[in-house]
Amino acid sequence: SYVLTQPPSVSVAPGQTARITCGGNNIGIKSVHWYQQKSGQAPELVVYDDGDRPSGIPDRFSGSNSGNTATLTISRVEAGDEADYYCQVWESSSDQPVFGGGTQMTVL
Amino acid sequence: QVHLVQSGAEVKQPGSSVKVSCQASGGTFRTHAVSWVRQAPGQGLEWMGGIIPFFGTPNYAQKFQGRVTITADGSTNTAYMELRSLRSEDTAVYYCASHMGDYYYYYPMDVWGLGTTVTVSS
Repeated sequence: SYVLTQPPSVSVAPGQTARITCGGNNIGIKSVHWYQQKSGQAPELVVYDDGDRPSGIPDRFSGSNSGNTATLTISRVEAGDEADYYCQVWESSSDQPVFGGGTQMTVL
Repeated sequence: QVHLVQSGAEVKQPGSSVKVSCQASGGTFRTHAVSWVRQAPGQGLEWMGGIIPFFGTPNYAQKFQGRVTITADGSTNTAYMELRSLRSEDTAVYYCASHMGDYYYYYPMDVWGLGTTVTVSS
């Protein structure tokens, strides 16, 4: 099955830019979705189809996808952005969603 | 937009079964895929399976084949996930989530329930 690889953790100072990667074989040809999960809460979709945002998600959240790596970029990081972030794609061969292992983002 | 309400927390004995419900209100239920995703304590998200109520045919992750049953009741806009032969490793929060578009798991999961905690302990 398709494997998505994320770094376990990233740290960023407030006001700086965070980049969270999601690696997968030729992931650039897939649509990548990103979820934010704050402590004790359900996941929330923050970026879909590589770089689109659901309504209500600030434009500080953006995404890109090329080659073997997709990236979630969070600009002007705030304390409230501290959360776990998961990437997800759809695996066509099985018609099933696949999640990455998640990245814990700490705001210093 | 659809809103998903899940059933309450459960405590189960090893070897027993649990059935979690997920009722949708507002929005479109029948044509959007509903997935079940679980999260063990301190672990990541794991897709278990899903169903598109319009078609009624479930789709299960291989890991759970034979142990999970996902169904949907269009008359009550409710999806169900039953997990059998429970063991301690099944202790987790179980989420239902609705996919954004019609008929496909391809779309992102844009609406999530709050989760149902299932504890398996003797």
